[in-house]
Amino acid sequence: GAGVSQSPSNKVTEKGKDVELRCDPISGHTALYWYRQSLGQGLEFLIYFQGNSAPDKSGLPSDRFSAERTGGSVSTLTIQRTQQEDSAVYLCASSLGEGSPYEQYFGPGTRLTVT
Amino acid sequence: AQRVTQPEKLLSVFKGAPVELKCNYSYSGSPELFWYVQYSRQRLQLLLRHISRESIKGFTADLNKGETSFHLKKPFAQEEDSAMYYCAPQYSGGSNYKLTFGKGTLLTVNP
Repeated sequence: GAGVSQSPSNKVTEKGKDVELRCDPISGHTALYWYRQSLGQGLEFLIYFQGNSAPDKSGLPSDRFSAERTGGSVSTLTIQRTQQEDSAVYLCASSLGEGSPYEQYFGPGTRLTVT
Repeated sequence: AQRVTQPEKLLSVFKGAPVELKCNYSYSGSPELFWYVQYSRQRLQLLLRHISRESIKGFTADLNKGETSFHLKKPFAQEEDSAMYYCAPQYSGGSNYKLTFGKGTLLTVNP
């Protein structure tokens, strides 16, 4: 079946602009995660959704970052007033449920470049 | 804070040689342990998990709780093993099973 999809695959934006990144998880997966992959920092957790609720937003680096999930499916990560340090690959992952028996399946990522 | 250390950023071996990718993690409860792999131009994917005690593509990983290590090993490396490897403990914080990734080791297997 279809895996996790993300759009756009690449996004170039000017410093100060807002961007929206989209994630379509695997159908039926209730858990959804956002991670960020950047040079020097590796892969960092950003936020976790269970259904439409986000019980853990502890990884969001600043209040310029927000995310929502609707219908227990699609999620959008929004970055306001982008800065150059926001440049990274943003990865979304979904899993069938919570916990370690459930593998996290990753999307291809959105490469964000802030100029 | 939970920490994951992969001491080698780059690892280069010849085809047929043994390979070991090191991973040490900080102890916080009893994390589940995973290795993820990212081949060139492909998405990040699960390679193996400790709980399954499985061998995938000839790779195994042994958990040493005393040393808090979860090193990945393969006795005979193949060129197709060239990829970026991430060690990822999964610490359960409430209901959140987020992965904590190491910085990764780029493995190159030379012909």
